[in-house]
Amino acid sequence: DGGITQSPKYLFRKEGQNVTLSCEQNLNHDAMYWYRQDPGQGLRLIYYSQIVNDFQKGDIAEGYSVSREKKESFPLTVTSAQKNPTAFYLCASSRGQGYTGELFFGEGSRLTVL
Amino acid sequence: LAKTTQPISMDSYEGQEVNITCSHNNIATNDYITWYQQFPSQGPRFIIQGYKTKVTNEVASLFIPADRKSSTLSLPRVSLSDTAVYYCLVGAANQAGTALIFGKGTTLSVSS
Repeated sequence: DGGITQSPKYLFRKEGQNVTLSCEQNLNHDAMYWYRQDPGQGLRLIYYSQIVNDFQKGDIAEGYSVSREKKESFPLTVTSAQKNPTAFYLCASSRGQGYTGELFFGEGSRLTVL
Repeated sequence: LAKTTQPISMDSYEGQEVNITCSHNNIATNDYITWYQQFPSQGPRFIIQGYKTKVTNEVASLFIPADRKSSTLSLPRVSLSDTAVYYCLVGAANQAGTALIFGKGTTLSVSS
């Protein structure tokens, strides 16, 4: 089935460590997004990418990095510079030409810093 | 980018109709209005989308007045399983990758 796969679902990390969250889609979508969600809060945009080898910062990009070397993949690295990384991370994708606002989300990755 | 405003929370009982309104005063000509539903520890999922007037699908209706500065999601005869957070998102058509900003959403609580 087509969809977005995020891994791992749960991740624990020690302070000072970088971690990379995987996001893969087989929907042939051009655009991909990373959001962060804290308890009781809405979704905040970290990074987004319209095409391969191109990405832009969202509202809260500090302490995060991304790459878009393949259309299907948009991994997010949470670096040690991110001061409060414990959160629920969501990856999404959307069509390119003719996009009308529908985002397809993965099931999320929950990161806990110990 | 059009900013959206929704009520923080709403309460309802099973079997009632629920209407959640979203304000988007600076919506642009190319913008579509999309509503999402999110359960705890899951990604949001698409409910309905519209551009103007009324749209209906098997789970909801979306009412958009002529000036498009607001929209109302209508959930008929809600059940306990409709307890979730609902987000209104306004996004530009034909501009994939444009930063899509979610508001804080409306937490709907359905009781028996």
